Amino acid sequence: QAVVTQEPSLTVSPGGTVTLTCGSSTGAVTSGHYPYWFQQKPGQAPRTLIYDTSNKHSWTPARFSGSLLGGKAALTLSGAQPEDEAEYYCLLFYSRVRVFGGGTKVTVL
Amino acid sequence: QVHLVESGGGVVQPGRSLRLSCAASGFTFSSYGMHWVRQAPGKGLEWVALIWSDGSNEYYADSVKGRFTISRDNSKNTLYLLMNSLRAEDTALYYCARGGAGGPDFDYWGQGLLVTVSS
Repeated sequence: QAVVTQEPSLTVSPGGTVTLTCGSSTGAVTSGHYPYWFQQKPGQAPRTLIYDTSNKHSWTPARFSGSLLGGKAALTLSGAQPEDEAEYYCLLFYSRVRVFGGGTKVTVL
Repeated sequence: QVHLVESGGGVVQPGRSLRLSCAASGFTFSSYGMHWVRQAPGKGLEWVALIWSDGSNEYYADSVKGRFTISRDNSKNTLYLLMNSLRAEDTALYYCARGGAGGPDFDYWGQGLLVTVSS
């Protein structure tokens, strides 16, 4: 089974910009992996922010955006807010199997 | 509105079985694929299994293949996960999540259900 890799932790200043990445052990991440991004805060279920690389749900704050960058999926947070401090997970599709990344702890400090 | 409510968790001995349920409401259950996702204490998310809307296909993570079975009863709007030969490493919070129906997966999640495998 493929392994999906993420940065373990990142720190961003309030109002700053940070980019999280999501790589695949099988090679470059493409739109065919339909990258998803989830936000999870302590004690809560995950919430989808981005699906199919760059699509947003109605509840996704405009400051979050998804893309493909250098062979990886990327989640960019522009104008970080204190409430964005959370764990962020990516997920990739491999045919019918889905695989989560290990998660990135984002600290807003 | 969409609601997913898991039930059936608890403490079980290694090697035993347990069946989880996820009751769905607020949408046409039979039109959507459904997922199980789990999270070990203090760890990340792990996708477990997917079943198609009509139950015709099932897919599993390597870690549970051959031990877990995902199923559904569309007449009861309920998703199931039968877990056999349980191991300590299966201890986790188990979430059900809605799949896609021509739209995005994972748009709605249950609150999670704790399963503890311990002697």
